[in-house]
Amino acid sequence: KAGVTQTPRYLIKTRGQQVTLSCSPISGHRSVSWYQQTPGQGLQFLFEYFSETQRNKGNFPGRFSGRQFSNSRSEMNVSTLELGDSALYLCASGEGLNTEAFFGQGTRLTVV
Amino acid sequence: GENVEQHPSTLSVQEGDSAVIKCTYSDSASNYFPWYKQELGKGPQLIIDIRSNVGEKKDQRIAVTLNKTAKHFSLHITETQPEDSAVYFCAAEPYSGGGADGLTFGKGTHLIIQP
Repeated sequence: KAGVTQTPRYLIKTRGQQVTLSCSPISGHRSVSWYQQTPGQGLQFLFEYFSETQRNKGNFPGRFSGRQFSNSRSEMNVSTLELGDSALYLCASGEGLNTEAFFGQGTRLTVV
Repeated sequence: GENVEQHPSTLSVQEGDSAVIKCTYSDSASNYFPWYKQELGKGPQLIIDIRSNVGEKKDQRIAVTLNKTAKHFSLHITETQPEDSAVYFCAAEPYSGGGADGLTFGKGTHLIIQP
């Protein structure tokens, strides 16, 4: 079985721009969650989707949003990028809620 | 919300010795406790997990223990090998009738295996 696939792997954007990151979960998995990893704050929960519905959201501003499609693939969007949004964005998939979560390799976003 | 503390931040052990990493959590609603290993340039890899109805779980050289009363859980790695060198994260996930709340992670432990 293929693992969690995140695209692109690396991204450089300018302040004020917006960005969309993509995540393809493990085949058969219906839950997708997103995390932000930075050296200062560590790994922080952004949001989780299950059956195309956002089930929970972390403590991030409204500039961070996401969605899940009927095939369980997910995208997250960050609008009006700030320098502090530079981070590794990780996607994890699971069979359902409160189940094992398997991470992708992440998308490294740099905002300049 | 949940808060997870992890210690130590760096742990250096001789190859072949054991390593222990400890975490505490705050939310008594947490019922799922996974451990992840992250190597440079890679995403976190799930290595073992435990649920709140179990006190201990073992998988070859790796074991996890959970003390619900004290709200702490630990990762034990025996007979350490060079490939065990990585950053290890503990996490906790509260679960209520409405659904899971997402994983709350500790700050990580950089495990260094000295040859």
